[in-house]
Amino acid sequence: GQQVMQIPQYQHVQEGEDFTTYCNSSTTLSNIQWYKQRPGGHPVFLIQLVKSGEVKKQKRLTFQFGEAKKNSSLHITATQTTDVGTYFCAGGSYIPTFGRGTSLIVHP
Amino acid sequence: SAVISQKPSRDICQRGTSLTIQCQVDSQVTMMFWYRQQPGQSLTLIATANQGSEATYESGFVIDKFPISRPNLTFSTLTVSNMSPEDSSIYLCSVGGGGADYGYTFGSGTRLTVV
Repeated sequence: GQQVMQIPQYQHVQEGEDFTTYCNSSTTLSNIQWYKQRPGGHPVFLIQLVKSGEVKKQKRLTFQFGEAKKNSSLHITATQTTDVGTYFCAGGSYIPTFGRGTSLIVHP
Repeated sequence: SAVISQKPSRDICQRGTSLTIQCQVDSQVTMMFWYRQQPGQSLTLIATANQGSEATYESGFVIDKFPISRPNLTFSTLTVSNMSPEDSSIYLCSVGGGGADYGYTFGSGTRLTVV
């Protein structure tokens, strides 16, 4: 079945530093979604990318979908303590396959 | 996007017993999804539940262990049967979004500990 690989598993940053998580698939994805899960919480939908090469921004968050629609990234500029959590990508067709997630730890 | 009420939020259960988790959605949805998330891990799809038909289970999950009911378009239950400590996990229900701007909405989760 389809697999979505996500790296890194953990990322420690100092507040104010940037953060990036990467998502890769062995097959072409029809779309990619990104979710954030705060500690003790449930996944919350952030965004969906559909088009090849698509770039979307949400304030300090920038989401990219690769030209081949096999990879994606989430970049956070100038992290804040409120960014703490696990970021999941989810790719595929009707029912998305979730990546393992990247846990972001922000040190004040 | 839909709002999901999931309960219980957590429980501690004895091995060999069963727990039923409920999810109520504030709107009618065709498909509901049940996931398991082990500590520090990703979300694994258990099954997809359609109203009026048997749930479709993913590889590694069977109906006898995880029976699902879907009596109407706003409600579903997942039962974890004959529990063992390996079933300790977070269980989440989910519904699909109404379009590209909504994605999938998750219930708040049920944190299950089997002792």
